[in-house]
Amino acid sequence: DAEITQSPRHKITETGRQVTLACHQTWNHNNMFWYRQDLGHGLRLIHYSYGVHDTNKGEVSDGYSVSRSNTEDLPLTLESAASSQTSVYFCASSDPRELGTDTQYFGPGTRLTVL
Amino acid sequence: GENVEQHPSTLSVQEGDSAVIKCTYSDSASNYFPWYKQELGKGPQLIIDIRSNVGEKKDQRIAVTLNKTAKHFSLHITETQPEDSAVYFCAASILGNTPLVFGKGTRLSVIA
Repeated sequence: DAEITQSPRHKITETGRQVTLACHQTWNHNNMFWYRQDLGHGLRLIHYSYGVHDTNKGEVSDGYSVSRSNTEDLPLTLESAASSQTSVYFCASSDPRELGTDTQYFGPGTRLTVL
Repeated sequence: GENVEQHPSTLSVQEGDSAVIKCTYSDSASNYFPWYKQELGKGPQLIIDIRSNVGEKKDQRIAVTLNKTAKHFSLHITETQPEDSAVYFCAASILGNTPLVFGKGTRLSVIA
């Protein structure tokens, strides 16, 4: 079955380290998104991509980067991890070619702790 | 840009009662309004959505209503069951044009 996966599911790192969170989808969806979820803030958009080599900043993009070299993957990199980036990270994908809908399919999440 | 407000942040209902969650949006150009359910330890999952050319949509025990003039939309869950306990998110976008903007979520607890 087609799916969207995230790895690792849990990560503990130290302040200042570079961290990369992986997101892989097998639906061949054009659109992919990264969100962070924090208590009291809901889901906030970090970066998104509408296709290969396309990337866009979201609401809370500072300190994060993404690259889209193929349809299936959108890795999220924290260039220099900060304690404020401790959060649960969700990846999602969608395909507007599905007529009349923009349903986003979410991965299971990655819980990141920055010490 | 779009701003979505969601109320209440927490909601407790007795099993069998109805639950209503309300959202307002700011961008009159938004035309797509989905609702997502997030169970503990999982990613959000779409439960129902509505486009601006429709005022109401139902799917078994859940329904969504949209008032374009007032720029608000609501999720209605009837005959609530314990398995309805979860966090619910509303969102808004211009379909196929802008990313979804999510509300901050409502934690629904259904008490048996």
